[in-house]
Amino acid sequence: DAGVIQSPRHEVTEMGQEVTLRCKPISGHNSLFWYRQTMMRGLELLIYFNNNVPIDDSGMPEDRFSAKMPNASFSTLKIQPSEPRDSAVYFCASSYTGGGQPQHFGDGTRLSIL
Amino acid sequence: GDSVTQMEGPVTLSEEAFLTINCTYTATGYPSLFWYVQYPGEGLQLLLKATKADDKGSNKGFEATYRKETTSFHLEKGSVQVSDSAVYFCALTRDGGATNKLIFGTGTLLAVQP
Repeated sequence: DAGVIQSPRHEVTEMGQEVTLRCKPISGHNSLFWYRQTMMRGLELLIYFNNNVPIDDSGMPEDRFSAKMPNASFSTLKIQPSEPRDSAVYFCASSYTGGGQPQHFGDGTRLSIL
Repeated sequence: GDSVTQMEGPVTLSEEAFLTINCTYTATGYPSLFWYVQYPGEGLQLLLKATKADDKGSNKGFEATYRKETTSFHLEKGSVQVSDSAVYFCALTRDGGATNKLIFGTGTLLAVQP
């Protein structure tokens, strides 16, 4: 079975540019999570969706960040405008809804904002 | 609120040594408990899980027992290998909830030397 697929794997761009990260969850999973990982802050949950509906976006750092899930097989995380402090590895994870269900992670997008 | 506390790293061991990484949690109700492993440059992978008290999760020689009386879920392995070098995350999710948002510990870096 295909796992969670993220693209691109690496992104290098200049500050002020718009960045779009993409995620395809595992087929049949109905919960989707976006995380950010840095050395300073560790692993942070940014937002999660249940049945394509955003449930909790309290982890989104600023209005520059937005996330969408237009259907069950695709989600995007957008940063506009990007800043150097947004440099991090961004992970997407998916799972079945319900207690005890593990999340399955993608390999992440390593984002560098110059 | 719910929280997970892991021992600070890095943990440095010689090959074939015994490993323990401590994890304690605070949660209401009956959480499910997980250990995830992150190898360099990769996403988090589920290592093992336990969904109720006294359950033992095991995988690839790693074990952890859900101890409700001590609110702990310590990770153990009898004989580590160089290939076990990674960051290990303890996590919990509230059982029976509408979503399975994970609460992570800060991670413990394990370095195994030949």
